[in-house]
Amino acid sequence: SQQGEEDPQALSIQEGENATMNCSYKTSINNLQWYRQNSGRGLVHLILIRSNEREKHSGRLRVTLDTSKKSSSLLITASRAADTASYFCATQGDTGRRALTFGSGTRLQVQP
Amino acid sequence: DAGVIQSPRHEVTEMGQEVTLRCKPISGHNSLFWYRQTMMRGLELLIYFNNNVPIDDSGMPEDRFSAKMPNASFSTLKIQPSEPRDSAVYFCASSLSFDFITYEQYFGPGTRLTVT
Repeated sequence: SQQGEEDPQALSIQEGENATMNCSYKTSINNLQWYRQNSGRGLVHLILIRSNEREKHSGRLRVTLDTSKKSSSLLITASRAADTASYFCATQGDTGRRALTFGSGTRLQVQP
Repeated sequence: DAGVIQSPRHEVTEMGQEVTLRCKPISGHNSLFWYRQTMMRGLELLIYFNNNVPIDDSGMPEDRFSAKMPNASFSTLKIQPSEPRDSAVYFCASSLSFDFITYEQYFGPGTRLTVT
């Protein structure tokens, strides 16, 4: 089963609004990463947060991590039409299989 | 840097034919990953290599799939014989990994495979 599950599956907002996407996972992790995928393209890495970090910023992106709840959120502030894409969280477990496990993604549509 | 290079970008083949997908990772990266993406199953890890050695191939669907990494700059994913249910977009990604910790992955543009 998927390690990370994003919520919501789809999100439609107006340009300028903030977009928040959530990710839940099941097992202990070493790090959690967020990726963006534009239609027909490969995934692009956005941000990595380690298990001992609680919050991280990168430009208009803000990621939080709550290991007690096994959840993370990605906030995109002042969204733009160019932010329209699918967003995936990916987790790396701290034992056993060390490859990233991707969630099913959130499709974000930003209306101009 | 040219990024991760995959070829071909599109492949249409008939059921039963052999298909070979190719990947050139980013120079200096020591880990390489093959993924498959479909609408139904999302993004699935098929296999990953560390320092050219297969570490985890538990995601390879069945014996029809095989992957090799003969050197640090080249990998192949082969499907023989191909079936319609293999139709998907296949991505290759590379990254730096140390002490089993995988950092950000860089994805290629993908190969869209259609098996008729």
